[in-house]
Amino acid sequence: DVKVTQSSRYLVKRTGEKVFLECVQDMDHENMFWYRQDPGLGLRLIYFSYDVKMKEKGDIPEGYSVSREKKERFSLILESASTNQTSMYLCASTPRVFDTGELFFGEGSRLTVL
Amino acid sequence: GDSVTQMEGPVTLSEEAFLTINCTYTATGYPSLFWYVQYPGEGLQLLLKATKADDKGSNKGFEATYRKETTSFHLEKGSVQVSDSAVYFCASAARGGGNKLTFGTGTQLKVEL
Repeated sequence: DVKVTQSSRYLVKRTGEKVFLECVQDMDHENMFWYRQDPGLGLRLIYFSYDVKMKEKGDIPEGYSVSREKKERFSLILESASTNQTSMYLCASTPRVFDTGELFFGEGSRLTVL
Repeated sequence: GDSVTQMEGPVTLSEEAFLTINCTYTATGYPSLFWYVQYPGEGLQLLLKATKADDKGSNKGFEATYRKETTSFHLEKGSVQVSDSAVYFCASAARGGGNKLTFGTGTQLKVEL
């Protein structure tokens, strides 16, 4: 089974702190994604990556950056956390050939910024 | 751009009741359509999909039919169980869209005994 592991299930940070959210997948997938999930807004794409060292902006990249130094790992970075970044963050991956349409999700990281 | 609209929740049903969660989409061309489910404390997982008009996706007693004429992909189940309580997301993927999905806002389903 594909496993997508997010390093922290729950985090509490203070405004202005730098925050790292880590995601690792074990199925050699080329594509990786970061979404945030908010009530009433569903899932919104922050960034995605098609390969090592490649990254593309999603729909809401402001205030975020990403890093993909290894194929299996995709990190989301909040350079200076703000209260409006309090949310659930979901990582997902897919193989390069997206014929099944199936995204494989991690369990999520719930971030609270005080 | 592409968008997906689904009915707001929460939807509360008694066990064995019939379920419908409405989903409509707007897209250029003919996207693939999906339903994902998120059980409490878990990530999303694919429930079913349809890739062309009139296709019916089905899984775990759930069904959804790709209706091009009404741009809809409504989720149905004939008899829900308490274990079906979850949040359901409708999603679309444009052909040639680079593996990106557009999600609806999600509908929370609560099934009571």
